[in-house]
Amino acid sequence: SQQGEEDPQALSIQEGENATMNCSYKTSINNLQWYRQNSGRGLVHLILIRSNEREKHSGRLRVTLDTSKKSSSLLITASRAADTASYFCATERSGSARQLTFGSGTQLTVLP
Amino acid sequence: NAGVTQTPKFQVLKTGQSMTLQCAQDMNHEYMSWYRQDPGMGLRLIHYSVGAGITDQGEVPNGYNVSRSTTEDFPLRLLSAAPSQTSVYFCASSRQGKQYFGPGTRLTVT
Repeated sequence: SQQGEEDPQALSIQEGENATMNCSYKTSINNLQWYRQNSGRGLVHLILIRSNEREKHSGRLRVTLDTSKKSSSLLITASRAADTASYFCATERSGSARQLTFGSGTQLTVLP
Repeated sequence: NAGVTQTPKFQVLKTGQSMTLQCAQDMNHEYMSWYRQDPGMGLRLIHYSVGAGITDQGEVPNGYNVSRSTTEDFPLRLLSAAPSQTSVYFCASSRQGKQYFGPGTRLTVT
């Protein structure tokens, strides 16, 4: 079963706008990660946030984690057409020996 | 570094046939894993390995075998292919929790 669930399932925005994707999960975690997948390609790691962290930045990406609500959000600022992809959250559950459980993803389309 | 490589890129099998999906990494990562991705879904873990000689089952292991004789290689064997195994298969290796994915193998079982 899916540990993480992304919301929305699909998001369409104009270039230059910000995109926000949310992820909810069910159990205690060691960390939560976000990955990007371009059509027909493998997943690429974007950012990892540990359970004792609340916010992390990497370039135009900002991730927040609220362990009390078991939720995370990924914000992409000033989006570009090249950001068009599927975005997945993945959780490493506590005591899981580094196994990741993936959500079903958000399909982001950035219109030029 | 080539990173994580997978062969073949595409494969068509008939029901009942067996085959091996190859995965190799040149980053000296101890942890490797196999996932399958079905349309509209995230990845589901099939098998994983925390080091040479050590493998364990993930969420959906039935119908698949793995072995890990070297740090570099982690092949996935389909014992008797079924149409339900039609999917895209991804291999990954991991360092410090971050996973590095191969380009995938698209498998169709008819």
